[in-house]
Amino acid sequence: DIQMTQSPSSLSASVGDRVTITCRTSRGISNYLAWYQQEPGKVPKLLIYAASTLQSGVPSRFSGSGSGTDFTLTISSLQPEDVATYYCQKYDSAPRTFGQGTKVEIK
Amino acid sequence: QVQLVESGGGLVKPGGSLRLSCAASGFSFSDYYMSWIRQAPGKGLEWVSYITSSGTTIYYADSVEGRFTISRDNVKNSLYLQMDSLRVEDTAVYYCARGFGSLWHWWEDSWGQGTLVTVSS
Repeated sequence: DIQMTQSPSSLSASVGDRVTITCRTSRGISNYLAWYQQEPGKVPKLLIYAASTLQSGVPSRFSGSGSGTDFTLTISSLQPEDVATYYCQKYDSAPRTFGQGTKVEIK
Repeated sequence: QVQLVESGGGLVKPGGSLRLSCAASGFSFSDYYMSWIRQAPGKGLEWVSYITSSGTTIYYADSVEGRFTISRDNVKNSLYLQMDSLRVEDTAVYYCARGFGSLWHWWEDSWGQGTLVTVSS
């Protein structure tokens, strides 16, 4: 099975900072990668699919990039409401593995 | 709008069984793949299983293969997860989610609120 490595596991940044989260797969998955946001105590919410396509209604400060084995989720200007855990997920084939998650906090 | 409502969670002893249900509304259920995804307390997300729109193709995570059975009823607009031989490590919130995308590559775009399964003696 393809392994997913998401980093960092947690980060603390100031409001307005640029934040970058990385997801790496052990084999290439083209662009079959999604990003989810899970606010504390809430249900996961789709942010990005096809590695870089923003889901409808998601603020434009979120962006995704990458293809093959290396992917990035970027928050261009961190806002208080972005406090959450972020997960990547591959969907090229089963198993549809999630990354370990990145907890984002405000400094 | 899309609504997914899980039910059937609860407390069960190790080795026991439980059947989860997910009632779907607001979309044409029979046209969509569906998944079960779980989250152990304080842990990350773990994909459990998916079923294609017609129910003809099914996949399971290795951790539940042979113990869990996913199924659907496109007349009742419902998704199910039969969980047998439950283990303590199956304790989690179980989410049902809708698959969206193409026939071969799709992502989970809508999630239910989840139902908690606790396996404990």
